[in-house]
Amino acid sequence: DAGVTQTPRHEVAEKGQTIILKCEPVSGHNDLFWYRQTKIQGLELLSYFRSKSLMEDGGAFKDRFKAEMLNSSFSTLKIQPTEPKDSAVYLCASSFGGPNTGQLYFGEGSKLTVL
Amino acid sequence: GDSVTQKQGQVTLSEDDFLFINCTYSTTTYPTLLWYVQYLGQGPQLLLKVTTANNKGISRGFEATYDKGTTSFHLQKASVQESDSAVYFCALVNYGNEKITFGAGTKLTIKP
Repeated sequence: DAGVTQTPRHEVAEKGQTIILKCEPVSGHNDLFWYRQTKIQGLELLSYFRSKSLMEDGGAFKDRFKAEMLNSSFSTLKIQPTEPKDSAVYLCASSFGGPNTGQLYFGEGSKLTVL
Repeated sequence: GDSVTQKQGQVTLSEDDFLFINCTYSTTTYPTLLWYVQYLGQGPQLLLKVTTANNKGISRGFEATYDKGTTSFHLQKASVQESDSAVYFCALVNYGNEKITFGAGTKLTIKP
């Protein structure tokens, strides 16, 4: 039973570059989330999709972060342009039934380092 | 807005010690409360979930009790093992705005 798959697992970027992180949710799940995880800020919600529709765009992350859900089984998170403060682990999660179930299935994350 | 507070950033114990991780929350609703566990190199996974209906959750030897009076949801385990080393996140679900609010996490290290 495939869980949430995230690629790449590690990414190193120069300041100003564009990076794209990819996520495949659990098959059949209709909700997809992107989180940023840092030691200081913890888990921060970047985007939330329900059945491919954007429900939450993460407020403060709008200007350089763009998440898209091209189909029900694939999502991307684009950061453009990258800044050193974007260095973090980016986690994708999916669920069946939405946040109110409390049950999110997380991928292993993509660790981004911006030099 | 909603908030979840985990006062302990780190806890270090020896095997067979009793575990207590503090969690308090603030919200205007009656939320569902969660504990997630994140092992090294993995994403968080749900450990246990407690609603207003059932008050107490037990999973894999861990337990947490929903205390509306003190707005607390502490995590306990009678006897920890080295394999319990991980980061533990307390969280609440606000049904009204469909948001999950996570605490900052508590890193648990078990010395063999």
